[in-house]
Amino acid sequence: AQSVSQHNHHVILSEAASLELGCNYSYGGTVNLFWYVQYPGQHLQLLLKYFSGDPLVKGIKGFEAEFIKSKFSFNLRKPSVQWSDTAEYFCAVNAGYSGAGSYQLTFGKGTKLSVIP
Amino acid sequence: DGGITQSPKYLFRKEGQNVTLSCEQNLNHDAMYWYRQDPGQGLRLIYYSQIVNDFQKGDIAEGYSVSREKKESFPLTVTSAQKNPTAFYLCASSIGRTAPSGANVLTFGAGSRLTVL
Repeated sequence: AQSVSQHNHHVILSEAASLELGCNYSYGGTVNLFWYVQYPGQHLQLLLKYFSGDPLVKGIKGFEAEFIKSKFSFNLRKPSVQWSDTAEYFCAVNAGYSGAGSYQLTFGKGTKLSVIP
Repeated sequence: DGGITQSPKYLFRKEGQNVTLSCEQNLNHDAMYWYRQDPGQGLRLIYYSQIVNDFQKGDIAEGYSVSREKKESFPLTVTSAQKNPTAFYLCASSIGRTAPSGANVLTFGAGSRLTVL
């Protein structure tokens, strides 16, 4: 069974600070990796995803993540955060093939980001 | 606008009562999902359905039941057998079988918050 570990429960940053949220997964095969974000009062939405190709993927609002296969990691980064980035961020993984495993998306426990103006 | 509609938004239930949460999508997605979100626990998969008239248990299916009689609809019943039903329930959908490399990107509804009194 796959699992996802997010290292930080709550991160507090000042505006313009750089952000890196850690995500490690355990799974023995090919994976697809996702970051979802939940802004206060809004639906969960996709921030970015990786399923093949360039391990450095870019998402919405200036976010990026790097897939490092040897470290089983998919850390989320942003060079300069804004107050509007205050949200809860979830890392997720599923099996990287078109079968039953592709439907079983496993989420981490989430990291709350608070950005202070 | 295409999307997922969950109802009701808030629901209160007495112990021992079953309750059904509605989920409707107009995205023409084959796959639908139910997740439960608890503070500090992330999202946990309850049930998923790859296609009409088919569904599979997720990680925490005990005390829940679902049906998938129509492509657009995937209702979740929280039964009296669920020991700790107070939670935030999220419905989602995705393309399904045709997702490249199994990278099923989930579109989420706004959620239903169930409180057992």
